[in-house]
This record gives sequence, C-alpha cells and structure tokens, in this order.
Amino acid sequence: DMKVTQMPRYLIKRMGENVLLECGQDMSHETMYWYRQDPGLGLQLIYISYDVDSNSEGDIPKGYRVSRKKREHFSLILDSAKTNQTSVYFCASSSGTGNYAEQFFGPGTRLTVL
Amino acid sequence: GQQVKQSSPSLTVQEGGISILNCDYENDMFDYFAWYKKYPDNSPTLLISVRSNVDKREDGRLTVFLNKSGKHFSLHITASQPEDTAVYLCAAGGGSNYKLTFGKGTLLTVTP
Repeated sequence: DMKVTQMPRYLIKRMGENVLLECGQDMSHETMYWYRQDPGLGLQLIYISYDVDSNSEGDIPKGYRVSRKKREHFSLILDSAKTNQTSVYFCASSSGTGNYAEQFFGPGTRLTVL
Repeated sequence: GQQVKQSSPSLTVQEGGISILNCDYENDMFDYFAWYKKYPDNSPTLLISVRSNVDKREDGRLTVFLNKSGKHFSLHITASQPEDTAVYLCAAGGGSNYKLTFGKGTLLTVTP
C-alpha cells in the first residue's frame, strides 16, 4: 500500500520553541519534498531531498532545515519557531528518476505558533 | 513573479457540463505538467500528468491539453459531477532538479 505518513497531524507551539515534523514513505522513493500551504499562496516548496544526506533548498527555505538519514524518512525542523510559520505543512515523495510530476502527498501537519 | 499561474480563482459549472480549468506558465524549460485535486483539509492527489512530447492526454472524463508555444495547459472534465467540487492545482516542472511549481488553485464548484 503506497503511503506517505506525517507526524504529528496537529501541533501548537509557542514562539521561540523548536519544532520537529516527521515524514515517512514506504515506496522507496528517492526524492522527498516539504511544502507549506497558506491561503492565497498555494503550495510553496521549502526543501527537496534527492536521497540520504542530499538536500537542496526550495523556494522558501529561510527559517527551516531538514534531515534525511534514511531514505524512507524526511524531517523538517524549525529552530525557534515564529508566528509567521503557522501553516499547513505537506510532505511528498516521488520516484524522481521517473515521472517526478507524480508526487504522493502525506495528510499534512497543521502547525500553529502562538 | 508567478511562474505558474491559474488566473481564475473559482469556476462554477452545472452538473453534466464541461469544466475547463486553465494554467499558464513562464519557464520554457518546463517539460512536465500535472493537475492535482484537493479537497478542504485534505492533501493534494494527482489526477493526470503529461510530458511535453504530447499535446493531449485523455483518462476517462479527464483530458489535458498542452500548448507549448502558448505556454498554456488546461484540464477538461466532461460530464461534471457534484463530487468533482474541489480545488484544482496545476503544476509544472522541468530540468534535472525534480521540482514542481504549483499554481494557487482554482475552486471548481459543480452545482446539481
């Protein structure tokens, strides 16, 4: 069963706290992505990972970092969260070398930073 | 500026009619084009994708038309149904970076 999972699904943090969002996939996909979605802005790419320890900035990387130590796991880290990082965060994966337009998305994490 | 643009934030179609969703892009290097469907509080799911070597692809009620010279692609949904009501996101990508750029979405409402 092809699946992308995200934990937690909902998270409330205070400004300045650290945040860890986890993503997993069971399809052995090489490429994984972190996006955020905000009203009126659509999906914006934060980071892309091409494989273990092979990560690249997306369009809005400031304030975020990522970690990929196993192919099936991709983490998004917010060091000292800010209120403007309140958003819905989606993780996705694709086969990369195949049709990377076919991305499989996780259910999303709704993060609120107070 | 927006590299992928959906100029219509919303569209209303009667049940049984044809829904036409449009997307314009700026980057000549884009060679993958896709449409995703998203229900509120859910994640996007891929509907259909094409590469630039074709100008049309059909899959059931869905057809994607690609006009590379005009930097435009569209999604046609025939026999539209109320359950087609959702936000439709277009996306385009190209080159070796495996990145997709998404439009902001069009809310399609199919009325009974």
